[in-house]
Amino acid sequence: GQQVMQIPQYQHVQEGEDFTTYCNSSTTLSNIQWYKQRPGGHPVFLIQLVKSGEVKKQKRLTFQFGEAKKNSSLHITATQTTDVGTYFCAGEGTGFQKLVFGTGTRLLVSP
Amino acid sequence: GAVVSQHPSRVICKSGTSVKIECRSLDFQATTMFWYRQFPKKSLMLMATSNEGSKATYEQGVEKDKFLINHASLTLSTLTVTSAHPEDSSFYICSARAGHEQYFGPGTRLTVT
Repeated sequence: GQQVMQIPQYQHVQEGEDFTTYCNSSTTLSNIQWYKQRPGGHPVFLIQLVKSGEVKKQKRLTFQFGEAKKNSSLHITATQTTDVGTYFCAGEGTGFQKLVFGTGTRLLVSP
Repeated sequence: GAVVSQHPSRVICKSGTSVKIECRSLDFQATTMFWYRQFPKKSLMLMATSNEGSKATYEQGVEKDKFLINHASLTLSTLTVTSAHPEDSSFYICSARAGHEQYFGPGTRLTVT
C-alpha cells in the first residue's frame, strides 16, 4: 500500500534558524497536504499542493511539490517559538479520496 | 474554516465495556468522514472511511466488528469501540471532507483500564 515517509523525525533549532522537512511517497499523488499539530492538539490544515512543481508561500513557510508528484517539502524561514509542533504531510493517491499521513517531523525551537 | 466537533473529548472506561465517539460537522454537510487513530508521538493512522448511508470502508488490519462505524446523517458519524481493552487506549480523531480539504475534530482520548 501507499507509504509516506518524512525526514527528519525530529529537529531542534535555535529561534531564527531555518527548518526544512521532506516528504516522500511510495506512489504518485494527486495532491499533497500539510498539517501542523501542536502538542496535545489536533492536526490543523496548512495548505494543499496539486500541480507538479508547484510552490506556495505562506509568510515564512514555503511549500513545494515535486515534479514527479511523489515528494514535497516544507521550509520555514527564521523559525519562531510559535512554530513548535509536529508537521505532517499527507498524500492523496490518484483515484482515491483518503489521505495517507506521513510519519511527521517534530520541531522544537529554543528561544 | 469548517468546524468539526467530537464528543467526548476524553473518556476512561473499564476493560470489556463499549465506548461511542461522535463526530459532527457543524457548519457543512459531509458525505465522507474519516476516522484516524494516533498513538503518542506517532502519525495518524487511517482506520476507516465513513460514507453517509452506506457501510464504512475499513483499512487493512482494522477489525470492523471491533470498531463499529455508523454514518447516519450528513453531519454525524459515530465510532463505537466494542469490548474495549487496554491496547485500544489511544487518541481517536475524525475528519470531514469539505471540497478538497479535510477538517479535523479535536480528538477523543480513550483510556481503557
